[in-house]
Amino acid sequence: AQSVTQLDSQVPVFEEAPVELRCNYSSSVSVYLFWYVQYPNQGLQLLLKYLSGSTLVKGINGFEAEFNKSQTSFHLRKPSVHISDTAEYFCAVSLYDTGRRALTFGSGTRLQVQP
Amino acid sequence: DTGVSQNPRHKITKRGQNVTFRCDPISEHNRLYWYRQTLGQGPEFLTYFQNEAQLEKSRLLSDRFSAERPKGSFSTLEIQRTEQGDSAMYLCASSLAHGGGRDTQYFGPGTRLTVL
Repeated sequence: AQSVTQLDSQVPVFEEAPVELRCNYSSSVSVYLFWYVQYPNQGLQLLLKYLSGSTLVKGINGFEAEFNKSQTSFHLRKPSVHISDTAEYFCAVSLYDTGRRALTFGSGTRLQVQP
Repeated sequence: DTGVSQNPRHKITKRGQNVTFRCDPISEHNRLYWYRQTLGQGPEFLTYFQNEAQLEKSRLLSDRFSAERPKGSFSTLEIQRTEQGDSAMYLCASSLAHGGGRDTQYFGPGTRLTVL
């Protein structure tokens, strides 16, 4: 079975500072990787995804992530955060070509941007 | 493209009552998913449909839960004899089928269920 681990439940950071949110996964088959953001009382919005090709993926709102197969990681980064980036961030995987379509999510990281 | 919509947004019920939630996917999307999210956790998969066929169900989907997508458009999720442990946010997502697991799932705002 696959699993996703987000090592940090909360990450406080000052405005305009860089941030990295960590995600590691475990799976016996190849996976696709996703990062979603959830603002309070809202659904999830896709930030970026890795399907194949370049391991550095750029997403919306200035976020990027790098897929590292040997370390089974997909860390999310932003060089300079804004107050508006305060939200919950979820890493997720789906299995490659198994017929299963479910996303498996990590437990989330709450990014708190302080002025 | 008006996005995925869910109704109601909030539902408060007493233990033992039945509740039904509705999800309207993005119009051209043929796959529809239900997830449950409890406080402080990531969403957990419940079930998914391709058109009107229910193709996958999680072991979390007990026999008190039933989901339908009768015409391959909107879907309903019913919980019978609700329990306090059913209190959660119920999220619906939809996608356009691609090969393998490449689909991007687009999520609705969720229905928050509180069981008293």
